Amino acid sequence: SAVISQKPSRDICQRGTSLTIQCQVDSQVTMMFWYRQQPGQSLTLIATANQGSEATYESGFVIDKFPISRPNLTFSTLTVSNMSPEDSSIYLCSVFNRGTTEAFFGQGTRLTVV
Amino acid sequence: SQKIEQNSEALNIQEGKTATLTCNYTNYSPAYLQWYRQDPGRGPVFLLLIRENEKEKRKERLKVTFDTTLKQSLFHITASQPADSATYLCALDLVRAGGGADGLTFGKGTHLIIQP
Repeated sequence: SAVISQKPSRDICQRGTSLTIQCQVDSQVTMMFWYRQQPGQSLTLIATANQGSEATYESGFVIDKFPISRPNLTFSTLTVSNMSPEDSSIYLCSVFNRGTTEAFFGQGTRLTVV
Repeated sequence: SQKIEQNSEALNIQEGKTATLTCNYTNYSPAYLQWYRQDPGRGPVFLLLIRENEKEKRKERLKVTFDTTLKQSLFHITASQPADSATYLCALDLVRAGGGADGLTFGKGTHLIIQP
């Protein structure tokens, strides 16, 4: 199993500003994933963060809006840039165990943009 | 495009009864299907995985079936308890062109309420 610590757990931000979300895993993992969960919606994969290379973004998500860092095998950050109220959502960090094909999630960051 | 459907309406079940949740998918040939539980303000927690060559999987009071012909999975909670109240998410491996699965695709989830 993996224990994932994510912070902040929640924040209220002004539109036009940026917020960086941190994700710390208690073990080394190759891939980390960032998801968004809008109210009443499913989790949507934003990007896959690999250590030592650029993140891979899903359709509809771009690096300029959601820059990701992955400096080592236990840590990643997601920045939500130039925020608008439409970015209000829960952002979740996740790791994937290929052996058991089980995903582990952080507790999420609840972002409200005003 | 790939699509996963779960009952969007909340499901109300009397305590002690069996709760059955449905997950349907289209345009997929998943190698496996997973079920997660999500409580308010928390990230999803893995419950069960069932592979494409398995018809049924059990874990304590949980049972999952997987019908690749119908493209459907059923998730059962027997002897349901108020503590089982949560949102239950179905997830499939995200199949990429060229092979290799990275990440998961989730349904919207079904909100289950077990009434005492």
